[in-house]
Amino acid sequence: DTAVSQTPKYLVTQMGNDKSIKCEQNLGHDTMYWYKQDSKKFLKIMFSYNNKELIINETVPNRFSPKSPDKAHLNLHINSLELGDSAVYFCASSQLGTGGDEQFFGPGTRLTVL
Amino acid sequence: QQPVQSPQAVILREGEDAVINCSSSKALYSVHWYRQKHGEAPVFLMILLKGGEQKGHEKISASFNEKKQQSSLYLTASQLSYSGTYFCGTVVGDDKIIFGKGTRLHILP
Repeated sequence: DTAVSQTPKYLVTQMGNDKSIKCEQNLGHDTMYWYKQDSKKFLKIMFSYNNKELIINETVPNRFSPKSPDKAHLNLHINSLELGDSAVYFCASSQLGTGGDEQFFGPGTRLTVL
Repeated sequence: QQPVQSPQAVILREGEDAVINCSSSKALYSVHWYRQKHGEAPVFLMILLKGGEQKGHEKISASFNEKKQQSSLYLTASQLSYSGTYFCGTVVGDDKIIFGKGTRLHILP
């Protein structure tokens, strides 16, 4: 069984389009995250949700909107895509979300904006 | 605020040892270590909480010096499977992990 899954795995789109990435975890965790890993492999947190409530919002452009319909799902919608949005986006989850807890990462979604 | 990792890259022969360092300019609540292989997701190795503890995981161990705001990851008798990029992540009390730029480790047979 996959612990943290993301769809799609690859996403290629034109500038200006809107796209969504979906994430699901079956670990029963309360906290979920979105990370962005750029071409230089820098891994940066974007958002975290605890039991459907937004906890961390890291100075991300408001073109990015996370949505958590329930604590097992955290989706990421991106409006008006720009070239600089090209990156690998990782979803992750942890039980506590207090910084003292291991995080389980999904396989990643490679977004390419042309 | 981003922790500084050193070295940036290491090339070892199988069986050799390596040390990866991570330092922060801020007081730390915890330090996380993750390994990422090419094209894959980061995988958790260990967490060290403030208190200066040392942890071990097979032949991989780590220390955390709270006063110096530093952590080190020790890889003993490295195996080919240890190749990848190692990230330290620091938590300063606001519950989010800030990752360093990573240390690329390549093990030669």
